[in-house]
Amino acid sequence: AQSVSQHNHHVILSEAASLELGCNYSYGGTVNLFWYVQYPGQHLQLLLKYFSGDPLVKGIKGFEAEFIKSKFSFNLRKPSVQWSDTAEYFCAALLTGGGNKLTFGTGTQLKVEL
Amino acid sequence: KAGVTQTPRYLIKTRGQQVTLSCSPISGHRSVSWYQQTPGQGLQFLFEYFSETQRNKGNFPGRFSGRQFSNSRSEMNVSTLELGDSALYLCASSLGGTRPTEAFFGQGTRLTVV
Repeated sequence: AQSVSQHNHHVILSEAASLELGCNYSYGGTVNLFWYVQYPGQHLQLLLKYFSGDPLVKGIKGFEAEFIKSKFSFNLRKPSVQWSDTAEYFCAALLTGGGNKLTFGTGTQLKVEL
Repeated sequence: KAGVTQTPRYLIKTRGQQVTLSCSPISGHRSVSWYQQTPGQGLQFLFEYFSETQRNKGNFPGRFSGRQFSNSRSEMNVSTLELGDSALYLCASSLGGTRPTEAFFGQGTRLTVV
């Protein structure tokens, strides 16, 4: 069965620190990967997506992620976080040919301190 | 263009009652998916509708059902409500079709069962 795992449930960083959130997936076919962010009281927003091509994808607000097929990973990175990045981050996977059924990781709660 | 609209935003129901939630997708999107978000279980896929047909279904009991209309608007219904059905119900809108695309989420309907 397909699954997505996020290793860090809670992360606390100081402003300007670098961020890396882990995401691993388990899928039997061609996978498409996403990172979503949920700011307090707001809806899920798409940060970035990977369908094919360049495994290093850039998203909004300075975020990027690297698809490493051999490691079944899609880690999210940001060189310098801001207080406004405080939010919950979800990694998600979509199987090609499987319609639009997203499988989500459990989420990582990021708190950025001033 | 307008985003995904879910109504109502908040609902309080009593155990045993039934509830209907509504979702209007982004104009031109033909796929609507529903997710349940709870602190304990995270984001779980309920079902997906595409061109008025259920294309995917998650592991939820038959009390959870849905439908999609010819204008792509979708409703989900939960019958015989249980306390454990208290959750944020999210609707996601996608272009649909055979190629994978990103999903855009609505603000959600917060259902509380008392």
